Amino acid sequence: EVQLVESGGGLVQPGGSLRLSCAASGFTFSTYTMNWVRQAPGKGLEWVSYISSGSTTIYYADSVKGRFTISRDNAKNSLYLQMNSLRAEDTAMYYCAREVEVPAAYFYYYYMDVWGKGTTVTVSS
Amino acid sequence: DIQMTQSPSSLSASVGDRVTITCRASQSISSYLNWYQQKPGKAPKLLIYAASGLQSGVPSRFSGSGSGTDFTLTISSLQPEDFATYYCQQTYSTPYTFGQGTKLEIK
Repeated sequence: EVQLVESGGGLVQPGGSLRLSCAASGFTFSTYTMNWVRQAPGKGLEWVSYISSGSTTIYYADSVKGRFTISRDNAKNSLYLQMNSLRAEDTAMYYCAREVEVPAAYFYYYYMDVWGKGTTVTVSS
Repeated sequence: DIQMTQSPSSLSASVGDRVTITCRASQSISSYLNWYQQKPGKAPKLLIYAASGLQSGVPSRFSGSGSGTDFTLTISSLQPEDFATYYCQQTYSTPYTFGQGTKLEIK
């Protein structure tokens, strides 16, 4: 079964750090781009970060750039999100999601087809 | 950044109704548009990719259309399990952006 399982969430004080993990199983993790997406309580979805299969291409949302670092260990089938200088507005459910590339005529389409159940991060004093 | 605007933000409908949700991009995104369904306390679920591709396992009552800046998600005959929040997402360029969501409620 294709599965993503997040862990590492919790309660942290403003300015603190947390490292989220996402364990992948049931597919060849090393061949897929991965993303982190978050959802603040009662709010919509917000894309956070992207990492290509070989870690050569990384992107961040402006809201987390300079504070969060995405990484992966393909030997361990794991994705990570190191979160530093946390703020109250980082409070959210954090999901990892697999990204699929579908070839079209001269290019590719991209979408997130597998999502974990999420891990909750609460930033509060 | 590309802004995605969904309408309506909420919608009341009955089982058996035909429902259409609209998503508009602030610039042309070709067909780089995906639709997700999210139920309370659950992760998003992919319904439609590349504007009109039906994800495997998703019922055929769901369909997507559009290209450029205007897109629609249509549910041909609402079932009880379809009451949820729906999000569009563009993957034309990073930052990937989502619409604000459309909450579909039972009338």
